[in-house]
Amino acid sequence: NAGVTQTPKFQVLKTGQSMTLQCAQDMNHEYMSWYRQDPGMGLRLIHYSVGAGITDQGEVPNGYNVSRSTTEDFPLRLLSAAPSQTSVYFCASSPYGLAGGSYNEQFFGPGTRLTVL
Amino acid sequence: QKEVEQDPGPLSVPEGAIVSLNCTYSNSAFQYFMWYRQYSRKGPELLMYTYSSGNKEDGRFTAQVDKSSKYISLFIRDSQPSDSATYLCAMSALYSSGGSNYKLTFGKGTLLTVNP
Repeated sequence: NAGVTQTPKFQVLKTGQSMTLQCAQDMNHEYMSWYRQDPGMGLRLIHYSVGAGITDQGEVPNGYNVSRSTTEDFPLRLLSAAPSQTSVYFCASSPYGLAGGSYNEQFFGPGTRLTVL
Repeated sequence: QKEVEQDPGPLSVPEGAIVSLNCTYSNSAFQYFMWYRQYSRKGPELLMYTYSSGNKEDGRFTAQVDKSSKYISLFIRDSQPSDSATYLCAMSALYSSGGSNYKLTFGKGTLLTVNP
C-alpha cells in the first residue's frame, strides 16, 4: 500500500493563479481531510469528506474548494491564490471518522509546500 | 483563550534524558487525546492515544491525561537522537449529534532535539 499520496511536493504560484493539489489514498478509507500547517498556528482543518459525494467545511475553508467523486481521491482547489495561502498542505484519511484514536487514526500524506508570490 | 495550548519550544536535551511534553486545554468536551510525531518535512504520524484520564505506556513513551486539570503530557524515557521531531498534541470532541461527528483540534507542536 502506498498509503496517502500527495502531488505536487512543491509549488510556487503568483497571486491570482489557480491550481489543484492532488490527494489519493489506497486504504479504502471513507474519511478524508485537508489541513494547512503554518508556523505558530498548528494544523488547521480546511475541508473534509465523509464519503464519496459528501464534503463539508472545516475551520478555514475560505478560498478553497473540494469535491469527492471517488473514495480514493480528494483534490483541493485554490480558486485565486493569495500570499496568505502560503503554507504546507496535508491530506489525511481515516477509516471511520475524525475522532482520532486507534479506530479513527488519521494517516497523513507527505505534504505539499505551496508558496504564493 | 485557545482551545489547546502547547509550548512550541524548542526543547533541546542530551541523549538519555527524560523528556516531558505538555498541553493544556479549555474544552471539557474533549474525549480523545492523542500525540502525533512529525519528522522534518514529513506528515504527522500517530504516536499514542488515550480515551480517559490516567496513564498509558508504550515502550519508552508514556501518555498521561488529567481531565480534572485539563492537562495532558507525553514522557519519553531514555531519549534517542531518532526522537528528534516536532510533537503535536491533538484532542477531539463530538460537535454534532446523530452520528460520530468529531472535531479534531491540534496544538501548535513542540520541536524536540535530542543531542548525541
